[in-house]
Amino acid sequence: AQSVTQLGSHVSVSEGALVLLRCNYSSSVPPYLFWYVQYPNQGLQLLLKYTSAATLVKGINGFEAEFKKSETSFHLTKPSAHMSDAAEYFCAVSDQSRNQFYFGTGTSLTVIP
Amino acid sequence: NAGVTQTPKFRILKIGQSMTLQCAQDMNHNYMYWYRQDPGMGLKLIYYSVGAGITDKGEVPNGYNVSRSTTEDFPLRLELAAPSQTSVYFCASSYLKPNTGELFFGEGSRLTVL
Repeated sequence: AQSVTQLGSHVSVSEGALVLLRCNYSSSVPPYLFWYVQYPNQGLQLLLKYTSAATLVKGINGFEAEFKKSETSFHLTKPSAHMSDAAEYFCAVSDQSRNQFYFGTGTSLTVIP
Repeated sequence: NAGVTQTPKFRILKIGQSMTLQCAQDMNHNYMYWYRQDPGMGLKLIYYSVGAGITDKGEVPNGYNVSRSTTEDFPLRLELAAPSQTSVYFCASSYLKPNTGELFFGEGSRLTVL
């Protein structure tokens, strides 16, 4: 079975500071990995995805993530936080055999002015 | 450009009542999904469909039923509502298989069972 673990349910950063949201995965086969963002009272939208091409993936709004097989990690980063980045972020891994995603429990990002 | 549309956005049910959450997409996507989101638990898959007439159970199907008579619509039926079904429900769709594609989500339906 596949799963993802997000370390830290709440992260606070100052505006302009580095954003680092952690995600570790468990998979017996090469995974596809995703980061989704959920703004208040909205559905989720895709930030970026890794599908076995380049290990450093760039997404929307200045976010990027690096796939590290040796560490089974797919951490999300952004060099400089903006107030509009305040949201809930979900890491997800796909199960190729069953056409399903498995979502992590989410990390709530607060940006302090 | 509607995308995925869910109705209703809010609903309060009494224990034992039944209701249907509606979901429609106008993107001609084959794959559709129902998730529930509970605080600190992330999203759990209830049911999914790979095309009209084909549905399958996800992680937490008990207490729910679905049907997929058309490509566009994927309603979720709650029979005999229980307090444990208080949650936010999200419908999603994708054109490609989920392992390669992008899921498009509706804005959610917030259900409270009292």
